[in-house]
Amino acid sequence: SYVLTQPPSVSVAPGQTARITCGGNNIGSKSVHWYQQKPGQAPVLVIYYDIDRPSGIPERFSGSNSGNTATLTITRVEAGDEADYYCQVWDSSSDLYVFGTGTKVTVL
Amino acid sequence: QVQLQESGPGLVKPSQTLSLTCTVSGGSISSGNNYWNWIRQPAGKGLEWIGRIYISGGTNYNPSLKSRVTISIDASKNQFSLNLSSVTAADTAVYYCAAQLELRPYFDSWGQGTQVTVSS
Repeated sequence: SYVLTQPPSVSVAPGQTARITCGGNNIGSKSVHWYQQKPGQAPVLVIYYDIDRPSGIPERFSGSNSGNTATLTITRVEAGDEADYYCQVWDSSSDLYVFGTGTKVTVL
Repeated sequence: QVQLQESGPGLVKPSQTLSLTCTVSGGSISSGNNYWNWIRQPAGKGLEWIGRIYISGGTNYNPSLKSRVTISIDASKNQFSLNLSSVTAADTAVYYCAAQLELRPYFDSWGQGTQVTVSS
């Protein structure tokens, strides 16, 4: 089945930029969606269709997708951005929704 | 935006069947083109999609769980349910219900999640 690989952790200072990658075979041909999950809470959609933001999600969150890597970028990082982040795609070959391994973002 | 709420036993014995219900509010489960899903997350681990159901009753399941999973829908109660049979400790997790509105390939709304522990 399709595998999505994320770095286990990313550390960033407040005000700086965090980049979270999601690697998969030819992932650029798929639509990638990103979720933020804070401790004890359900995931929240922050990016859909590679680059779109749901209402209420700050413009500081953006996405890109090309080749074998999709990226979630958080600019001007704040303490409230500290969370786990998951990428997700639909694998059409198996009609299966696949999540990435998850990345813990720590704000220093 | 719809709201979802999971309910069911927090403790299930090994080899028994785990049964959970998701109640939908803020909209009819029958209206629109929506998929209704179950997703789980073991403690400290990532998310795993279990399966989904459409209002017609059509279902799709994760192949890794397909032999043990049944998802059903009760439109009269605005609910959908998960049954997972022959559970083991490996099925211990937080279980979420989630909606895909207008058949989009992502999960728009999530329940708060419910912890299910498999133990004798």
